[in-house]
Amino acid sequence: EDQVTQSPEALRLQEGESSSLNCSYTVSGLRGLFWYRQDPGKGPEFLFTLYSAGEEKEKERLKATLTKKESFLHITAPKPEDSATYLCAVLLYSNSGYALNFGKGTSLLVTP
Amino acid sequence: KAGVTQTPRYLIKTRGQQVTLSCSPISGHRSVSWYQQTPGQGLQFLFEYFSETQRNKGNFPGRFSGRQFSNSRSEMNVSTLELGDSALYLCASSPFPQETQYFGPGTRLLVL
Repeated sequence: EDQVTQSPEALRLQEGESSSLNCSYTVSGLRGLFWYRQDPGKGPEFLFTLYSAGEEKEKERLKATLTKKESFLHITAPKPEDSATYLCAVLLYSNSGYALNFGKGTSLLVTP
Repeated sequence: KAGVTQTPRYLIKTRGQQVTLSCSPISGHRSVSWYQQTPGQGLQFLFEYFSETQRNKGNFPGRFSGRQFSNSRSEMNVSTLELGDSALYLCASSPFPQETQYFGPGTRLLVL
């Protein structure tokens, strides 16, 4: 059972067309939700960490928000350089300790 | 600060061989985690090391192993390679477990 689900799988936007990416999770006792950006052939680049419902963080054109069941990554007036895969991860307890559980990602393409 | 470094960046091996990948964490980071990324499964947790001790292990066969040295550098080893082991192997470091992880560029492994 997927515990972290991202939607949509792919999103195509025109430059300047704002939108939101969704990350829903089924876990009790959230210990941290993380957003990363990944460019093709590269490692994920850290964007935000959120810990509690109601928390918001911003960086340039990106804003991440958190509720009790999901997180949104809002992209305001995107530019072509924002094209990438955006990954959401939740810190979950498994086996003998906590580990990051990643969603499958949202592939974003911003066209001029 | 220098980021997480991984060597080698690319590897081609044949079935049955073994491989060792290396990771140097960000200076001062003592926790190192390893992940496997494939198009079908996404990012999956392999194991985490802290203070030279494996703290947690994902659901991978015993062919996958790792270790951490006193300077926090880490290595992972895959023995008896299978075609399905072809993937991008990512290393991430954090100051302590359960804190924000920063990823390296990855090692692309191709098993023929």
